[in-house]
Amino acid sequence: DIQMTQSPSTLSASVGDRVTITCRASQTFGIWVAWYQQKPGKAPKLLIYQASTLENGVPSRFSGSGSGTEFTLTISSLQPGDSATYYCQQYYTYPCTFGQGTNLEI
Amino acid sequence: EVQLVESGGGLVQPGGSLRLSCAASGFTFASQAMNWVRQAPGKGLEPVSQILSGGATVYADSVRGRYTISRDNSRDTLYLQMNSLRVEDTGVYYCAKGRGGNDKLFDYWGQGTLITVSS
Repeated sequence: DIQMTQSPSTLSASVGDRVTITCRASQTFGIWVAWYQQKPGKAPKLLIYQASTLENGVPSRFSGSGSGTEFTLTISSLQPGDSATYYCQQYYTYPCTFGQGTNLEI
Repeated sequence: EVQLVESGGGLVQPGGSLRLSCAASGFTFASQAMNWVRQAPGKGLEPVSQILSGGATVYADSVRGRYTISRDNSRDTLYLQMNSLRVEDTGVYYCAKGRGGNDKLFDYWGQGTLITVSS
């Protein structure tokens, strides 16, 4: 299985800050990486796919980048509603593994 | 509007069985891959099983041989038959829709249904 190692596991920041979450893959597989946001008691929500493509309706302060084995999610100008857990996922092959999650506190 | 509504969760004893359902609407169900993803309490996301539009299935190693995924395209409904349940199967089970050719990219999720395996 492809392992996705996400860091940091927790992150504390302030409104208006810029934060970056990193995901490292155990092998290369192109850019088949997605990022999801999950708020407590809710289902995950797709934010970014194909490493850097923003899902429809997602604010432009969210962005993704990366290739090879290292991928990043950046949130510029944090808003209070961005408090959530963020997960990366490889969707190249099954099992389409997720990172362990990053709990972002604002 | 795409909607996915899971049902069938509950409390079950170790070794027991449950059948989950996921009612889909707002898209052409028969044409899309569908998935089950679970989340243990306070833990991350784990893909459990996938069924393609043509009926091919895959399973996580942790559930293979105990779980069976199926779909009824006439009812726009996805199922997960879970047998020989273990304590470690406890969690919220989500159904998730695959996106077109990227069938392991989950663009819509249900609200989840809680399975508790305990004596």
